[in-house]
Amino acid sequence: SQQGEEDPQALSIQEGENATMNCSYKTSINNLQWYRQNSGRGLVHLILIRSNEREKHSGRLRVTLDTSKKSSSLLITASRAADTASYFCATEGEYGNKLVFGAGTILRVKS
Amino acid sequence: DTAVSQTPKYLVTQMGNDKSIKCEQNLGHDTMYWYKQDSKKFLKIMFSYNNKELIINETVPNRFSPKSPDKAHLNLHINSLELGDSAVYFCASSQRFRMNSNTGELFFGEGSRLTVL
Repeated sequence: SQQGEEDPQALSIQEGENATMNCSYKTSINNLQWYRQNSGRGLVHLILIRSNEREKHSGRLRVTLDTSKKSSSLLITASRAADTASYFCATEGEYGNKLVFGAGTILRVKS
Repeated sequence: DTAVSQTPKYLVTQMGNDKSIKCEQNLGHDTMYWYKQDSKKFLKIMFSYNNKELIINETVPNRFSPKSPDKAHLNLHINSLELGDSAVYFCASSQRFRMNSNTGELFFGEGSRLTVL
């Protein structure tokens, strides 16, 4: 079964608004990562947050991790049409060696 | 320079045929992966190799056989193709692997879309 579950499944916003996507997982983790996938393309790594970190920033991206709730959120601020893509969270279990991906959130940013 | 390249990008074939997908990475990474993405966008790991050694073999039919001639290449051969094999297959690589340690970020290829008729 999938380790990570994203919420919402789909999100449609206007350019300039913020987009928040959530990810829940089931078992203890080493790290959690977020990836973006544009239509018909491969996945691109956005950010990695380790289990002992609570928040991380990268440009317009802000990721939080709550290991007590086994959840993470990805915030994209001041969204742009180019942010339209699918976003996936992926978790590495505490025993390492592989990433397990969630089902993804489809984000559409309307200009 | 493409970091992780896969060929072919599209593959259309009949049931029962055998096909191969090739993957090469020029990042100097030790670990390579095959992932399968189905029509609902679920991405599931199939295999992982570290320095030519198989380290992950998820529950995949033995019709699927990965081969790593060297640490920069990981190929996927599929025998007796079935309708359910239709999917996008992604190759990926990462910098380091040690048991009980962080995998680090994955670098993905552009995917190979397989359609079985």
